[in-house]
Amino acid sequence: KAGVTQTPRYLIKTRGQQVTLSCSPISGHRSVSWYQQTPGQGLQFLFEYFSETQRNKGNFPGRFSGRQFSNSRSEMNVSTLELGDSALYLCASSLVDFSTDTQYFGPGTRLTVL
Amino acid sequence: DQQVKQNSPSLSVQEGRISILNCDYTNSMFDYFLWYKKYPAEGPTFLISISSIKDKNEDGRFTVFLNKSAKHLSLHIVPSQPGDSAVYFCAAPRDNAGNMLTFGGGTRLMVKP
Repeated sequence: KAGVTQTPRYLIKTRGQQVTLSCSPISGHRSVSWYQQTPGQGLQFLFEYFSETQRNKGNFPGRFSGRQFSNSRSEMNVSTLELGDSALYLCASSLVDFSTDTQYFGPGTRLTVL
Repeated sequence: DQQVKQNSPSLSVQEGRISILNCDYTNSMFDYFLWYKKYPAEGPTFLISISSIKDKNEDGRFTVFLNKSAKHLSLHIVPSQPGDSAVYFCAAPRDNAGNMLTFGGGTRLMVKP
């Protein structure tokens, strides 16, 4: 079974630009979550989608948004990029529920904002 | 607020010895905990979990202990191997539906040959 895939793996953008990251979950998984990892803050939850609806949201500004398609694939968008947005963005999928279903993470997209 | 904390950012252990990674939490409503392992340039991988109805869960070389009264859990790796060198995160489901994980800051484990 193919794992969670994320594209692109690396991105370099400049301040003020916007970026879209993509995540394809494991086949059959309906829950997709996004996380930001930085050296100072560790792993932080961004949001979670289930059945094309944002079900949970972390404490990030509105510049961070996402969506999920009918095939469970998800995209994350960051607008008006800031230097502090440089991070590894991880996507994770699970069948339905994180607490009872194992989460599987993708390799991440490393975003560098110059 | 950090509801899950890993106070040791790094740990260095000799191969063959025991590695003990610690995690503290503040929310007594948490009833399920997970440990993830992360290698550089890869996403975290699930390692082991524990439910609050247990105080210990073992899987091969990995054992997680939960002390509910102290709101503390620990991951023991015995014997430690160089391939265990990675960042370890503890996590807890944050909402009632268990769909939002909150992670500790991670502990970088280095196992020296």
